[in-house]
This record gives sequence, structure tokens and C-alpha cells, in this order.
Amino acid sequence: EAQVTQNPRYLITVTGKKLTVTCSQNMNHEYMSWYRQDPGLGLRQIYYSMNVEVTDKGDVPEGYKVSRKEKRNFPLILESPSPNQTSLYFCASSLWVGLDRTGANVLTFGAGSRLTVL
Amino acid sequence: KQEVTQIPAALSVPEGENLVLNCSFTDSAIYNLQWFRQDPGKGLTSLLLIQSSQREQTSGRLNASLDKSSGRSTLYIAASQPGDSATYLCAVKGSGTYKYIFGTGTRLKVLA
Repeated sequence: EAQVTQNPRYLITVTGKKLTVTCSQNMNHEYMSWYRQDPGLGLRQIYYSMNVEVTDKGDVPEGYKVSRKEKRNFPLILESPSPNQTSLYFCASSLWVGLDRTGANVLTFGAGSRLTVL
Repeated sequence: KQEVTQIPAALSVPEGENLVLNCSFTDSAIYNLQWFRQDPGKGLTSLLLIQSSQREQTSGRLNASLDKSSGRSTLYIAASQPGDSATYLCAVKGSGTYKYIFGTGTRLKVLA
């Protein structure tokens, strides 16, 4: 089944304890991205990646890191989590962004990772 | 800076009604616009994608239109059903960028 898989789905951690949220897709998609969803603020893009070793900042990158060493994986790293990073996180992918071909830009989302930082 | 607004924030309608959800954006230089559905506790599911060169897209009971000049898109749901109850979000990708800007969504409840 074509899908985007995120882990963990739920996590409670403490301030300053490094954590990684994994994201993996099995559709050979070029484009991957991370979002956080907060009440009243909607989804905001954290980072995105156009391809292996190509990443760039979204609108709210502070406090996060990403890497894209393999095409299928795009982990989100919180080096020193703080309570204001408590949120619902989503990973998404698409075949390609910018290619004007039917379906190429359709975003497929993971089920989400709910993170609480105490 | 692109801003995307969805009004109303919540909507409750009786089953069978035809309804329209609105999405407004401030910068008309967009590459595409997508409509998504989000069920509680779940991820987003893409419903329709409209390229900037298109005026509308249809899938089953759903029809999305795009008017770039006025900065508006509408999602039309025909003959609504209780199973349509969810939050509907729109997202805009700007021309020349790889970023997506999302609206805050419209929470729809269809009453049986």
C-alpha cells in the first residue's frame, strides 16, 4: 500500500531531551516536507526537501533539523525540545513539485505524530 | 507574504444540502491550490488539486473552482452526507517556491 509512515504516533518527553520523528514513504516521491498543526494557526511548514541531500526551510524552522540521506526517509530532529514545540506534526510527500503533470503535485500525508514537551 | 483564509471556521448543515466552502488567498501568483479533508485524529487526504491554468476540477460530488484574479477558490459539495463531516483545508503553492501555505480550515458537520 502506498503510504507515508510516521513514528512515533504519540510521544511525551521533557525539555532538552533530543528526539527524532521518523518519516518514510514507499512511493519513490522526490518531494517531502514537515508541518506542525496548532489550534488557530493551521498547518505551518517546517522544512521541505526537493530530493536527496536537498533541503530548505519552511516558515517555522527554528528549533528543528532535518536530513535527507535516502529518498524514502526524511526524519525531523528536535535537538533540544521546548514546551512551545508541543504540537501535532505531519510529514507529507509528492512525486514532484513543479512538474505540471496530473497527480505529480498531490500531497500524501502521514497519520501524524502528537508530541508533548513537558 | 501569502496568506490563506477560510471562512467560516465552522459550518453545520442538514443532510442533503448542497454547500460551498470558501478559500481566499492574498497573492495571486500561485502554482496550484489543493483541497484536503482531515478527520479527527487522522492525517490529511487530498481531495482535489487545481493547477493555476485551470478553472475547476471535479471528483464525484465535489467540485473545486479557482479564480486567481480575485484570489478565491470554492469547494462545492453536492447532496451532503453525514460521512462528509470533517475539517476541510485548502493549501496554496506559490509560483517559484516549493512552500505550501495552508488555511486554518472549515469544520463541517452534516446532520442526519
